[in-house]
Amino acid sequence: QLQLQESGPGLVKPSETLSLTCTVSGASISSATYYWGWIRQPPGKGLEWIGSIYYTGSTNYNPSLKSRVTISVDTSKNQFSLKLNSVTAADTAVYYCARHPRLASIDHWGLGTLVTVSS
Amino acid sequence: AIQMTQSPSSLSASVGDRVTITCRASQGIRNDLGWYQQKPGKAPKLLIYAASSLQSGVPSRFSGSGSGTDFTLTISSLQPEDFATYYCLQDYNYPYTFGQGTNLEIK
Repeated sequence: QLQLQESGPGLVKPSETLSLTCTVSGASISSATYYWGWIRQPPGKGLEWIGSIYYTGSTNYNPSLKSRVTISVDTSKNQFSLKLNSVTAADTAVYYCARHPRLASIDHWGLGTLVTVSS
Repeated sequence: AIQMTQSPSSLSASVGDRVTITCRASQGIRNDLGWYQQKPGKAPKLLIYAASSLQSGVPSRFSGSGSGTDFTLTISSLQPEDFATYYCLQDYNYPYTFGQGTNLEIK
């Protein structure tokens, strides 16, 4: 059974870098079928796609965040990661990792992790 | 980026009611649209993919239709567990974009 689990600090200071890792179990992140992505949701607000990565390292990012975002993959650990730099309070959100086929619906989500940006 | 306009933003209905939620894309997206249900404190759950295909395990009272720019999610007979927030998502191209959400409340 596929499981995705986000991990990382729950509190980040303004101007610093938010770093999260998603550990995939029950499936290989090196599958030729799937992409692995990050989505976020500020408290009480809607969903925003951040970006996705293929096991080869090929990435697609939301242009609204592209200058600050890096998504990477570690196939040996079956993990992928998110780095968002120069964070502000507006980056406070629940961050979800997820899986989707190329240009198809997101079909599995992690439980999500709340990251608060505050000094 | 493709804009997804979802309506209504909130909706009050009773158990047993038939409800419809709509999503309009700012350009044609074929049938590359999914519908999600989200309950408080939980991750979204995929209900419908490719505009009208029911995800495995999802009750048949949920259905989707549309192509091009206009899409609908219909719940044929509301059950107590259906009260939640619903989102559409276009996966026609990157960046993926979500509708603003519809909060379905008990009347």
